[in-house]
Amino acid sequence: DSGVTQTPKHLITATGQRVTLRCSPRSGDLSVYWYQQSLDQGLQFLIQYYNGEERAKGNILERFSAQQFPDLHSELNLSSLELGDSALYFCASSAKDGRGGTETQYFGPGTRLLVL
Amino acid sequence: GEDVEQSLFLSVREGDSSVINCTYTDSSSTYLYWYKQEPGAGLQLLTYIFSNMDMKQDQRLTVLLNKKDKHLSLRIADTQTGDSAIYFCAAHPGLRFGNEKLTFGTGTRLTIIP
Repeated sequence: DSGVTQTPKHLITATGQRVTLRCSPRSGDLSVYWYQQSLDQGLQFLIQYYNGEERAKGNILERFSAQQFPDLHSELNLSSLELGDSALYFCASSAKDGRGGTETQYFGPGTRLLVL
Repeated sequence: GEDVEQSLFLSVREGDSSVINCTYTDSSSTYLYWYKQEPGAGLQLLTYIFSNMDMKQDQRLTVLLNKKDKHLSLRIADTQTGDSAIYFCAAHPGLRFGNEKLTFGTGTRLTIIP
């Protein structure tokens, strides 16, 4: 158990809909990362938040957005869903101290999204 | 940007050693990781190595890093059926503000032959 939790575990929805995925980082971790794992694209970095602010952006579509709340949990919002958005969405967290700390990322179990 | 490559499949007999290879392109990658993903599960951090090291051993796992060739390998000694999984290599650039992202390889599916 990595200490990172994600809900829900599974999500089935229809095209055009909007969903929200939730992530709670490990206790004390300030950074949250979102990844998408699909059969055709592999594991892709989407976005990172650090202490409430967007820190880095990867291959995230404009239909997707994320935020990190004061309690450090994060939500990934996926809207106008398409069949191709079906994937496993992972959240990861890492700790950072004033001297950089470790960059190790610990992953949650993922949310499996199926768009029908 | 960084590009990380792995072979897709590896089959090994139970009890033998498995060696999973990975190459990366960004010579400034500071941290190199190995993750394991079992069927239907998330990614589990196995081990990592800093770029100023050339070897790290952790029980049955040995990581070798050839920084000159940008080549990383993971050796699993005495491979067991529970080692069947997909193994991902990942590279991280270290502290570059706004670019602290992991780049993953495609993953190597390790199959254990009884």
